[in-house]
Amino acid sequence: NAGVTQTPKFRVLKTGQSMTLLCAQDMNHEYMYWYRQDPGMGLRLIHYSVGEGTTAKGEVPDGYNVSRLKKQNFLLGLESAAPSQTSVYFCASSYSLYGYTFGSGTRLTVV
Amino acid sequence: GIQVEQSPPDLILQEGANSTLRCNFSDSVNNLQWFHQNPWGQLINLFYIPSGTKQNGRLSATTVATERYSLLYISSSQTTDSGVYFCAWKWAGNMLTFGGGTRLMVKP
Repeated sequence: NAGVTQTPKFRVLKTGQSMTLLCAQDMNHEYMYWYRQDPGMGLRLIHYSVGEGTTAKGEVPDGYNVSRLKKQNFLLGLESAAPSQTSVYFCASSYSLYGYTFGSGTRLTVV
Repeated sequence: GIQVEQSPPDLILQEGANSTLRCNFSDSVNNLQWFHQNPWGQLINLFYIPSGTKQNGRLSATTVATERYSLLYISSSQTTDSGVYFCAWKWAGNMLTFGGGTRLMVKP
């Protein structure tokens, strides 16, 4: 049982490049989330999904897009990367108020 | 939205010492969680504690929602307790708003 798997774990992008971060969960959770964590700060919600085919904006959605075509996968896209998007990105999934599972994170640097 | 503030921001302990971490909210909440982020970045659920007190081994948590705070107690600290402790308010659809965290270092 892998839980929540994020790929890639590390990535360096040049300003203006695009990329997609993949999150996969094998727990049959309905809810999935993307957070970003900047140095010395707590996590901030980028986008989330309450079920297959649904997405919604969180606190800091600008510059990101998401898709949830399959229940087990939640993709985060950066169309034109900017240095301000340098951060650690965490995916999470949950089934209830109690069951919150995080992936191990993706460290993204935009130069 | 509700603001979440944690104190102290940094804490250094000698192994075996006890500590109390605090989480204050700008308004009353009925859904609160505590997380531990280990030095390798992994986030682990500690407690879902909307009110009252819960204990798990050397850790316990208390939330007084009407007074807008929650406390996390760590007893007999160990080096493996090092990392960052976050409290988070859970709102509609299980979304989380995090505090800034308390960075704990336990020295052997």
